[in-house]
Amino acid sequence: DAEITQSPRHKITETGRQVTLACHQTWNHNNMFWYRQDLGHGLRLIHYSYGVHDTNKGEVSDGYSVSRSNTEDLPLTLESAASSQTSVYFCASSEREGGRYEQYFGPGTRLTVT
Amino acid sequence: QKEVEQNSGPLSVPEGAIASLNCTYSDRGSQSFFWYRQYSGKSPELIMSIYSNGDKEDGRFTAQLNKASQYVSLLIRDSQPSDSATYLCAFNRAGRRALTFGSGTRLQVQP
Repeated sequence: DAEITQSPRHKITETGRQVTLACHQTWNHNNMFWYRQDLGHGLRLIHYSYGVHDTNKGEVSDGYSVSRSNTEDLPLTLESAASSQTSVYFCASSEREGGRYEQYFGPGTRLTVT
Repeated sequence: QKEVEQNSGPLSVPEGAIASLNCTYSDRGSQSFFWYRQYSGKSPELIMSIYSNGDKEDGRFTAQLNKASQYVSLLIRDSQPSDSATYLCAFNRAGRRALTFGSGTRLQVQP
């Protein structure tokens, strides 16, 4: 069955370290997204990609970067982790079906920056 | 004004009752609307999508869309304790594939 996986599921890191969160999907979807979820803020868009070598900034992109070298993967990198980046991170993917884009989410990564 | 407004709840209903969840949005260019269910500690799960004015039914769930009034709602009939979760509404702006989410309504179904 097609799915989206994220790794690691839990991560504790120190302030200033570089951290990469992995996202891998087997849906063969062109569109991939990274969101963060914090209490009181809902899901906020960090970065997104509409295809290989395409990346775009979302509403909360400062301190994050992504790259898309193939269809299946969109890793999210925190260049220098900050305590404000402690959050739950979700990866999602979608494809156009009948003119619509329904998104499906991975299981999430809980990141703690100490 | 927030792009998407949802009452954070908790909305408490007895088992077997109808739960009514509401969402208003500000962007009149919004085209597609979605309801996601999220259990505590889990990822959002798509349960309903609606694109045209009116009602759309799927089992115990009915989504209602009124573009003129800029609201979308979700009705859950015969509510079960297993429906206890946070319900997120989301929409696509025209030309965008990313979703904009509300902060969610927590539903508690009392046995």
